[in-house]
Amino acid sequence: DAGVTQSPTHLIKTRGQQVTLRCSPISGHKSVSWYQQVLGQGPQFIFQYYEKEERGRGNFPDRFSARQFPNYSSELNVNALLLGDSALYLCASSGLTEAFFGQGTRLTVV
Amino acid sequence: QKEVEQDPGPLSVPEGAIVSLNCTYSNSAFQYFMWYRQYSRKGPELLMYTYSSGNKEDGRFTAQVDKSSKYISLFIRDSQPSDSATYLCAMSDQPSYNFNKFYFGSGTKLNVKP
Repeated sequence: DAGVTQSPTHLIKTRGQQVTLRCSPISGHKSVSWYQQVLGQGPQFIFQYYEKEERGRGNFPDRFSARQFPNYSSELNVNALLLGDSALYLCASSGLTEAFFGQGTRLTVV
Repeated sequence: QKEVEQDPGPLSVPEGAIVSLNCTYSNSAFQYFMWYRQYSRKGPELLMYTYSSGNKEDGRFTAQVDKSSKYISLFIRDSQPSDSATYLCAMSDQPSYNFNKFYFGSGTKLNVKP
């Protein structure tokens, strides 16, 4: 079985631009969460979606938005990029118990 | 004060040693505890998941939870160079199928020397 897949793996954007990150959960998992991991720190919760509805939002500005599609895949959008948005963005897929992470998308804002 | 505290290390041990990794937390509502291993520039890999006090063993790994002290540990027996990675503790007040907002420690960097 495929694990959690994220795309792209790396990208470089300029300040002020917009970016869309994509995530496909493990087959059968209906919950997807997004995390931001800055170098040297633990992941910070951004959003959770379950059955296409937002279940929770972390302490991130409105420039961050997300959605979940009928096939349970998800997109994270970040507008008006800042240098401080440079990080590893992780998607987590969960079933009944544990949550499994993808390999992440490394975003660099220059 | 952070909700989850974890010593960042680095922790350097010889191959074959027993490793002890620890986290403390302040929120008594946390009931679900996880340990993840993260290699450089990769996503976290789930090692252990537990939702009760006491010990849980899986191969060379043992997770220990002491809710009365708000303290969790991960023990690695017979450590190998391939165990060299950053270890993250994570916890939540709800089961992941319901709401998986996890609170992570900052990670402990482990180096196992051959």
